[in-house]
Amino acid sequence: GAGVSQTPSNKVTEKGKYVELRCDPISGHTALYWYRQSLGQGPEFLIYFQGTGAADDSGLPNDRFFAVRPEGSVSTLKIQRTERGDSAVYLCASSLIAGGWETQYFGPGTRLLVL
Amino acid sequence: AQSVTQLGSHVSVSEGALVLLRCNYSSSVPPYLFWYVQYPNQGLQLLLKYTSAATLVKGINGFEAEFKKSETSFHLTKPSAHMSDAAEYFCAVSGSSGDKLTFGTGTRLAVRP
Repeated sequence: GAGVSQTPSNKVTEKGKYVELRCDPISGHTALYWYRQSLGQGPEFLIYFQGTGAADDSGLPNDRFFAVRPEGSVSTLKIQRTERGDSAVYLCASSLIAGGWETQYFGPGTRLLVL
Repeated sequence: AQSVTQLGSHVSVSEGALVLLRCNYSSSVPPYLFWYVQYPNQGLQLLLKYTSAATLVKGINGFEAEFKKSETSFHLTKPSAHMSDAAEYFCAVSGSSGDKLTFGTGTRLAVRP
C-alpha cells in the first residue's frame, strides 16, 4: 500500500516568508508525528497528533511553528516569519495508534532552505 | 527523559566483514528501542525494534540487535557486510507511555570493496 507522502519535496523561501509543509499519512493511521532533521543530526521531535488533536507539542521550538490536522488525516506544518536557522529536512511519520512500542513509518521528508 | 548515544559517527568495514554499530540508552522507564536506516535522499526505514518480548531481535536485511539491560545497550550487528548496507543508521528510544522517538546522532556506515 501507499506509504507516508510529503509535499513539497523541496522548498526554497526567503527569510521572513510563510511556508506550509504537508503530510499524508498511511491510510487508517491515527497517530501522526513531525520531526526536524538538521544536517548531520538525528531527527528531533516537534509535535504529534492522536486523531485531530495535538497530544504533545513540546518539541515546537517557538510560536512561529504551528501544525494542524483538522480531519484526523492530512497534517500541515506551518512556519511563520521563516529564519535561516529553520533550514532543515522536515520529516513526517505515522503509526496505527499512538504508543511507545508502535512502529512509526516515515515519509521522504521536505527539504526546506531559507535564504 | 530518554536519550541515546551512538558511539562512532563514521564506521568503515570491508565487504564481508562484521558490522557492529553501538547504541547506549538512558531511560527512566522500561524503554522501547529502535534501529532505523536512512539511505541518501530517502526516508527512515525501520530495521528492527525491541519491545520487551525477546532480548535478541532480528530485523530485515540480516541485521540483529541485542538488548542488554545491565549495559544499557542495544548494539546493531550483521555478520557479513554488503555494499548495499552503506547508509546512515539511527538508534532511537521511546518510553512506555511516551510516544515520541528520541534519536541518536547517527552512524554513517561505509562498506569497502
